[in-house]
Amino acid sequence: DAEITQSPRHKITETGRQVTLACHQTWNHNNMFWYRQDLGHGLRLIHYSYGVQDTNKGEVSDGYSVSRSNTEDLPLTLESAASSQTSVYFCANPLAGPSPTDTQYFGPGTRLTVL
Amino acid sequence: GENVEQHPSTLSVQEGDSAVIKCTYSDSASNYFPWYKQELGKRPQLIIDIRSNVGEKKDQRIAVTLNKTAKHFSLHITETQPEDSAVYFCAAIPVGYGNKLVFGAGTILRVKS
Repeated sequence: DAEITQSPRHKITETGRQVTLACHQTWNHNNMFWYRQDLGHGLRLIHYSYGVQDTNKGEVSDGYSVSRSNTEDLPLTLESAASSQTSVYFCANPLAGPSPTDTQYFGPGTRLTVL
Repeated sequence: GENVEQHPSTLSVQEGDSAVIKCTYSDSASNYFPWYKQELGKRPQLIIDIRSNVGEKKDQRIAVTLNKTAKHFSLHITETQPEDSAVYFCAAIPVGYGNKLVFGAGTILRVKS
């Protein structure tokens, strides 16, 4: 079955280190999104992509970057991890197919702790 | 840009009672409104959605209503059960936003048995 996966599921790192979170989808959809989830803030958009070589900033993009070299993957990089980036990160994208939908489906999430 | 406000932030109901969560949005051009349920430690999962050309949609014990004039939409859960306990998020997609969802802050629903 088509799906969206994230790795690692849990990550502990130190302040100042570079960290990359992986997102892989097999729906072959052009649109992919990264959100972070923090208590009291809901889900906030970090970066998104509408296709290969396309990347765009969301509302909380400072300190993060993404790259899109193929349809299936949108890795999220924390250039220099900060304690404020301790959060749960979700990748999401809509279903592709003959009945396209606006609905986004979420990966299982990555819990990142920055010490 | 779009802004979505969600109320209440926490809601406790007795098993069997109804629960209502309300969201307001700012961009009158928004045309798609999904609701997600998130259980502890899990990913958000879509439970129901509605488009701007529809006023109400039902799926068994859950329903969503949309008032475009007032720019608000609500989630209604009837005959609540303990397994309905979770965090619920509303969201909106404005026209021209290319699938980008703007989320409310979430409502913690506790169903007491």
